[in-house]
Amino acid sequence: DILMTQSPLSLPVTPGEPASISCRSSQSLLHSNGDNYLNWYVKKPGQSPQLLIYLGSNRAPGVPDRFSGSGSGTYFTLKISRVEAEDVGIYYCMQALQIFTFGPGTKVDIK
Amino acid sequence: QLQLQVSGPRLVKPSETLSLICTISGDSIRTSIYYWGWIRQPPEKSLEWIGNIYHSGSTHFNPSLESRVAMSVDTSKNQFSLTLSSVTAADTAVYYCARLNIDISHYHFDQWGQGTLVTVSS
Repeated sequence: DILMTQSPLSLPVTPGEPASISCRSSQSLLHSNGDNYLNWYVKKPGQSPQLLIYLGSNRAPGVPDRFSGSGSGTYFTLKISRVEAEDVGIYYCMQALQIFTFGPGTKVDIK
Repeated sequence: QLQLQVSGPRLVKPSETLSLICTISGDSIRTSIYYWGWIRQPPEKSLEWIGNIYHSGSTHFNPSLESRVAMSVDTSKNQFSLTLSSVTAADTAVYYCARLNIDISHYHFDQWGQGTLVTVSS
């Protein structure tokens, strides 16, 4: 099984400031087709998880451009260029190379 | 606009079978680029993928649950279902149904239903 870890697990943020979440996988998520099978989701309070980033760096439709994903192989990063109050929630990375496994989640809240 | 609605009992007794149905509106279960999946989240824990099903009935399951899981589709009702047998308290979770996009340069769950809490208790 591919294990996923995230850091930090808790991230207090100041609106207007940048934020960054790291995700590591126990095996490379780089497919032979050149895509990294790593997706990012956010679960906001009272809502279902929403797709933010797919295949490592592609923003999902409707996702603000302050969100960006990067990385390859076993190390990935989700960045928020300027945090807004509505970004509060739990952020999960998920690998899709071998079945699907999620990271433990990073709780983002406002300082 | 796609909507996924989960229905089924919210309380299941230990050792019995959990059964949920996901009704799709705003899209066809037969759309070729989509699988349909179940994901759950136990209280205070992360998300766990349960399995996926294609409109043809082809399935993929999480190996940790495979011996207890079954899924089916009803294309006439635009629904797919989950059954989980021999449940224990560890199966208490919010259960989500979701759409898996398998198109080229995609491969992600792009839409999720609202989730329903199923409690296993006597």
